[in-house]
Amino acid sequence: DVKVTQSSRYLVKRTGEKVFLECVQDMDHENMFWYRQDPGLGLRLIYFSYDVKMKEKGDIPEGYSVSREKKERFSLILESASTNQTSMYLCASTDTRRGRSHGYTFGSGTRLTVV
Amino acid sequence: GQQLNQSPQSMFIQEGEDVSMNCTSSSIFNTWLWYKQEPGEGPVLLIALYKAGELTSNGRLTAQFGITRKDSFLNISASIPSDVGIYFCAGPIYSGSARQLTFGSGTQLTVLP
Repeated sequence: DVKVTQSSRYLVKRTGEKVFLECVQDMDHENMFWYRQDPGLGLRLIYFSYDVKMKEKGDIPEGYSVSREKKERFSLILESASTNQTSMYLCASTDTRRGRSHGYTFGSGTRLTVV
Repeated sequence: GQQLNQSPQSMFIQEGEDVSMNCTSSSIFNTWLWYKQEPGEGPVLLIALYKAGELTSNGRLTAQFGITRKDSFLNISASIPSDVGIYFCAGPIYSGSARQLTFGSGTQLTVLP
């Protein structure tokens, strides 16, 4: 079974801490994405990457950065965590080489609480 | 960016009832996707639609790609407790260097026994 694995299901961090959320996929997908999910707001795109070392801002990049040093791994970084970054974070990947939008494969999510 | 308007935002139904939800957009899409997210998990693809007018089923789920290419519908027949979750519609947009999906805000479904 193809998989997107997020390293932590639950995290509790203190305000001001640097936080790393890790995501690994085993499908050789080029494109990887980080979303945050909040009640009533749906899925909002933070950053995405279409190749190793390439990244683009999504709709809400402020307060976040990303790293993609290897094709299979896409990391989301909160440089200085704040309470308004308490949320569910979802990683996803997709292969667009076949030309059709077959959709994303999502990880199970990381629920981050910043206290 | 392009927005998908999904409704209803939430539904409370009795077990055995049928459910209908829809998504509309001001822009044309060439693909519509429907996802389900169960509590504590990431969304999982249920149905993909690639052609205007297409009607596709997956068990008790049926989805349609609207003729205008600006809307899509998802129906669930004879609901059961495990249908509980958040249902999202999604469509591809092209932004920057990658094709990505834009999502509706979701329909939270609760099935009462």
